[in-house]
Amino acid sequence: DGGITQSPKYLFRKEGQNVTLSCEQNLNHDAMYWYRQDPGQGLRLIYYSQIVNDFQKGDIAEGYSVSREKKESFPLTVTSAQKNPTAFYLCASQLRGSGNTIYFGEGSWLTVV
Amino acid sequence: AQSVTQLDSHVSVSEGTPVLLRCNYSSSYSPSLFWYVQHPNKGLQLLLKYTSAATLVKGINGFEAEFKKSETSFHLTKPSAHMSDAAEYFCVVSVNSGYSTLTFGKGTMLLVSP
Repeated sequence: DGGITQSPKYLFRKEGQNVTLSCEQNLNHDAMYWYRQDPGQGLRLIYYSQIVNDFQKGDIAEGYSVSREKKESFPLTVTSAQKNPTAFYLCASQLRGSGNTIYFGEGSWLTVV
Repeated sequence: AQSVTQLDSHVSVSEGTPVLLRCNYSSSYSPSLFWYVQHPNKGLQLLLKYTSAATLVKGINGFEAEFKKSETSFHLTKPSAHMSDAAEYFCVVSVNSGYSTLTFGKGTMLLVSP
């Protein structure tokens, strides 16, 4: 089946550690996105990529990094510089074009312990 | 630039009564508009979308929405609520402006009582 796979579903991080969240899609989509979701704040854009080897900062990129070496993959690293990383993270993808449906993964919960 | 305002953070209905979730948008370009539903600890699932075709859009699970350009609105409705409709709903605007193309509303939590 085609779709977006995020892993892990749940992740615990010690303070000072970097962690990487995986996002893989087999939909042949050009654009991929990472969002952070906090209760009552909706979704906030962290990074997005419209094409391989290119990505752009979103509204809350500080403390995060990404790569886009393959069309199918868009991993997100939460670095130790992110002071409040506990949140639900959602990856999404879309064929380029404003009318095309955006597909979401099932999300990853990151908790700092 | 574009923006989305979901006018209610919470909506409570009784099972079997109509549902109305309100969304207003602003956009410098002709937008595409989406409604998504999110159940707890899950990703977002597409309910319906408007992309400049018919202004009344029918989606899954009996939901529909009407695009009203003059009112810059895209309200989501359902004639009769079901318990399984209890979830959070997001209105999204998308424009092909070359920058970040997706703008999300802050969400409306729908509560359904028996």
